[in-house]
Amino acid sequence: GAVVSQHPSWVICKSGTSVKIECRSLDFQATTMFWYRQFPKQSLMLMATSNEGSKATYEQGVEKDKFLINHASLTLSTLTVTSAHPEDSSFYICSARPWGANQPQHFGDGTRLSIL
Amino acid sequence: QQQVKQSPQSLIVQKGGISIINCAYENTAFDYFPWYQQFPGKGPALLIAIRPDVSEKKEGRFTISFNKSAKQFSLHIMDSQPGDSATYFCAARDGTDKLIFGTGTRLQVFP
Repeated sequence: GAVVSQHPSWVICKSGTSVKIECRSLDFQATTMFWYRQFPKQSLMLMATSNEGSKATYEQGVEKDKFLINHASLTLSTLTVTSAHPEDSSFYICSARPWGANQPQHFGDGTRLSIL
Repeated sequence: QQQVKQSPQSLIVQKGGISIINCAYENTAFDYFPWYQQFPGKGPALLIAIRPDVSEKKEGRFTISFNKSAKQFSLHIMDSQPGDSATYFCAARDGTDKLIFGTGTRLQVFP
């Protein structure tokens, strides 16, 4: 149980393109989803927290107009990297937390984004 | 105060040995301490977790030791296997439900 699916797993696109990444909780409802960014051989850095039906909360230094997050349902959150540039190339990982107290975050398998 | 310090950065252990990874924190408001295992190109997978009112938790070959007064916790992997070779992250949850991750430990287990 507690499976989180992330799509696509890998995307390569040209500079200036906008890229959408989907995060789905397959067998549970997630009131809260999180988006992380991970550079090679580094730790996970939280970008934003999203709650279903409300605006995402962004961490300091993360441009909300650059990284658009939508959490339209209890099982789906999307991250759109707008007008992507090479410096946006990274590994993006989402996680979802089931409803209820003391529930752990479950992570997707990440999306490797490469901007040429 | 929101940092979680993790050591060592890398660890090489022979098959059958014990792998030990340590983490330390400052924020006494942290209320949940999970460990995650990450293989290359994959997302982190929850391995084991502990709450601050417990000093030790064991699940199979994996044990967390927690020292509340020292604000330290550690992961012990007994009888380490080559399949355990991965990057391990400790984390701590704050009152807003966010996870703060340690810097990671790359474990290599040689046969």
